[in-house]
Amino acid sequence: DAGVTQSPTHLIKTRGQQVTLRCSPKSGHDTVSWYQQALGQGPQFIFQYYEEEERQRGNFPDRFSGHQFPNYSSELNVNALLLGDSALYLCASSLMAGELFFGEGSRLTVL
Amino acid sequence: KQEVTQIPAALSVPEGENLVLNCSFTDSAIYNLQWFRQDPGKGLTSLLLIQSSQREQTSGRLNASLDKSSGRSTLYIAASQPGDSATYLCAVITSGTYKYIFGTGTRLKVLA
Repeated sequence: DAGVTQSPTHLIKTRGQQVTLRCSPKSGHDTVSWYQQALGQGPQFIFQYYEEEERQRGNFPDRFSGHQFPNYSSELNVNALLLGDSALYLCASSLMAGELFFGEGSRLTVL
Repeated sequence: KQEVTQIPAALSVPEGENLVLNCSFTDSAIYNLQWFRQDPGKGLTSLLLIQSSQREQTSGRLNASLDKSSGRSTLYIAASQPGDSATYLCAVITSGTYKYIFGTGTRLKVLA
């Protein structure tokens, strides 16, 4: 049983560019949440997708957008990258509001 | 607004010690509380999930308790080992919302 998988694992972008991160949830899970984790901090909630709709959003600007596909996989898009967007981006899947399972994350560096 | 605090921020203990990590939250109307482990640069590994109707959960050398009325949870690690060295995070989901709120974690180092 595959767990949560994320791609790419590492990427480097320059300011102003756009990035897309991908996530495949754990088998049987229908809900995908995205978190941003800065160094030394706890993960911060970006948004959650359920039934292909954004169900809840955290305090992140509109530059952060997402999508969920019919197979429950999800993408996180960040436009107009800033230096402060450098972080570990974590995808978590769950069944409704149940136990969260995380992927290994995508490490984004913005230069 | 739910806030989660973890104390201490860092802890260093000799191998074999029993230890307690603390997590406190400000809104007692929680749905779930979950403890995670994170190794440097890696994702989070789920350790224990406590539902709001439960008082504790156990898995191997780990035991987590929940006291909603006082807004506290503790993670007890028995007979600590160097392999337990990691950052431990707790997270809560408040009733009526869908997002887990995380603490900043306790960085544990177990010395051989």
